[in-house]
Parts: sequence; C-alpha cells; structure tokens
Amino acid sequence: GAVVSQHPSRVICKSGTSVKIECRSLDFQATTMFWYRQFPKQSLMLMATSNEGSKATYEQGVEKDKFLINHASLTLSTLTVTSAHPEDSSFYICSAGAASSYNEQFFGPGTRLTVL
Amino acid sequence: GQQVMQIPQYQHVQEGEDFTTYCNSSTTLSNIQWYKQRPGGHPVFLIQLVKSGEVKKQKRLTFQFGEAKKNSSLHITATQTTDVGTYFCAGPSYNFNKFYFGSGTKLNVKP
Repeated sequence: GAVVSQHPSRVICKSGTSVKIECRSLDFQATTMFWYRQFPKQSLMLMATSNEGSKATYEQGVEKDKFLINHASLTLSTLTVTSAHPEDSSFYICSAGAASSYNEQFFGPGTRLTVL
Repeated sequence: GQQVMQIPQYQHVQEGEDFTTYCNSSTTLSNIQWYKQRPGGHPVFLIQLVKSGEVKKQKRLTFQFGEAKKNSSLHITATQTTDVGTYFCAGPSYNFNKFYFGSGTKLNVKP
C-alpha cells in the first residue's frame, strides 16, 4: 500500500512552546489529508481536514488558532500546536487518501507529543 | 450528529477461541471500513464494505455489512496471538469527504 510518513515520531517540549508535525505522502499525491488525535486507550478523534491550496476544515471544538494546519503541496501537510500545554499531550496521527470516503486511508506512524 | 459505536470495548480470549466486534451507526452509511491498530502502532486498513448485506472474508476474518447499512461486524475464527490489537470501524460523513471512527474494540489473546 501507499506510504505516509510523519516527523517527528516523538517530541517533548516545555509548556508555552510551539511544535510542528509534518505529514508526507511518499509515493502518491494527496489533495486531502486528515489529522487525528488519540488519547490513551481511546479512539481516533478527527481534528481537521487539510486541503491542498485552501484552508483546513476544523471539527467542532477544535481551535483553529491553536492547531494551525498548512497543506502547501500535494505531498505535505503540517500541524503546528501553538503555545502547547500539558493537556495537549497526545498521539497525533495523520492520514492521506483520496478525498472521497470510498477510498482507504493510509496512516502515518504518528507523533507522540509530551508537553511538560 | 453522526455517531459510530462499537461493542465490546474490550475482549479477552484464549488462543483458538472466536472473537466478534460489532459496529453500529446512528445513520445509514454509504460504506464502512475496518482498521486494525497494533499496540504502539498506527491504524492499518483491513477492508471496505459497500453493498447492503455484503459479506467479505480474509482468511480467518469475516466482515459483514447489515441489510440496513447501519451496522457491521468483524468475526475472527480461531484467534491467534498475532490478532492482538484494537479494531476500529469507520464510517463516512454525510457529505462523504471524511471518516468518523468507532470507539474501537481492544482484543487480547492469551497463548
């Protein structure tokens, strides 16, 4: 199947700093990428839909000014957690595939964020 | 809003026993997908079901899509330790451009 990479895999930062997470589709172009957050022993919660060349669409309850998404090319989407706080500590996963829900999603390996 | 629920939340079985997880949607789904997430890993696509009443098999795994397209199930025959992980169903949004994941069923298999 297709390959999606994420960087970094783990990050530890101090409260108040910003963290950027990259999601790349390595062998295909993705006009749409999705960002999820997964707390321990819980399901994947969709945060936002990243659209190449346009603004991201955020799910209800997700602050767009705190979680900045940039989809600058067909193979790269970035999520920046601004002014991170301990409650932002989580596992962040991106996925990519065709925009239609009739296609499978390929997930990145995830980024474990720990905010001290 | 749309909700996709799964039961049970956890299942512990002895190796060789069967396992079933059920997925229920509050709305009719155009299709449903199943994913498996190993501990510490990321979700991996297993299968997609589209037709009402559809049944698909992958070796020891059997997937069903309900006649009303509001529920689905995953059945594993004779579980093995390699089946350990969390199984998620995922249903599309009303405008078909994103997925919402079910709550997941964590399977533990004792050797």
